[in-house]
Amino acid sequence: IAGITQAPTSQILAAGRRMTLRCTQDMRHNAMYWYRQDLGLGLRLIHYSNTAGTTGKGEVPDGYSVSRANTDDFPLTLASAVPSQTSVYFCASSDRTSGGVRVQFFGPGTRLTVL
Amino acid sequence: QQQVKQSPQSLIVQKGGISIINCAYENTAFDYFPWYQQFPGKGPALLIAIRPDVSEKKEGRFTISFNKSAKQFSLHIMDSQPGDSATYFCAASLYGSGNTGKLIFGQGTTLQVKP
Repeated sequence: IAGITQAPTSQILAAGRRMTLRCTQDMRHNAMYWYRQDLGLGLRLIHYSNTAGTTGKGEVPDGYSVSRANTDDFPLTLASAVPSQTSVYFCASSDRTSGGVRVQFFGPGTRLTVL
Repeated sequence: QQQVKQSPQSLIVQKGGISIINCAYENTAFDYFPWYQQFPGKGPALLIAIRPDVSEKKEGRFTISFNKSAKQFSLHIMDSQPGDSATYFCAASLYGSGNTGKLIFGQGTTLQVKP
């Protein structure tokens, strides 16, 4: 593994079902993020985690939950999916460089369709 | 409320031409402004970034121009090539050590460079 992996690559889900999107990074980055990408809206932050054991809400957290049990994994759960959650979901991670900049590295994304 | 506004939504440029994408931000506390490049089916990747203590940063054919008083910044792609065809996102963040590096993204610009 090199970088960030996400699973599944794509998923079609019936409304009301529970779904967990998986994200794993092997860069030992402290911070991790979940974004959703929608045409015309760019990427919007759903939840983030500064370090293992802590999480925080982003711009659009409603309907989503996350956990950060360890450094490498940051799963995103939709407890009861709705059609408005149809989107492409990106996981990202970052750590502070020697220059102090937090560069975010993104995974390949999960395309989710809720019918 | 969209804190970072990006334009145009789409752009078509001839090979060898200059591509210009503009962004405006509202929060004067933002002090880190990256641009991300995204190819179809891939996650975004950092292209170039600037902090507001400089008015311009150049890396190869890519230049960021920054106008702090106007709260605007732009990406210029010189000698545009078909391989530059992608979606470009501007973003803004708080740089300081106490921040998590959360990014606020613009809406994205789809660039097509015609041969």
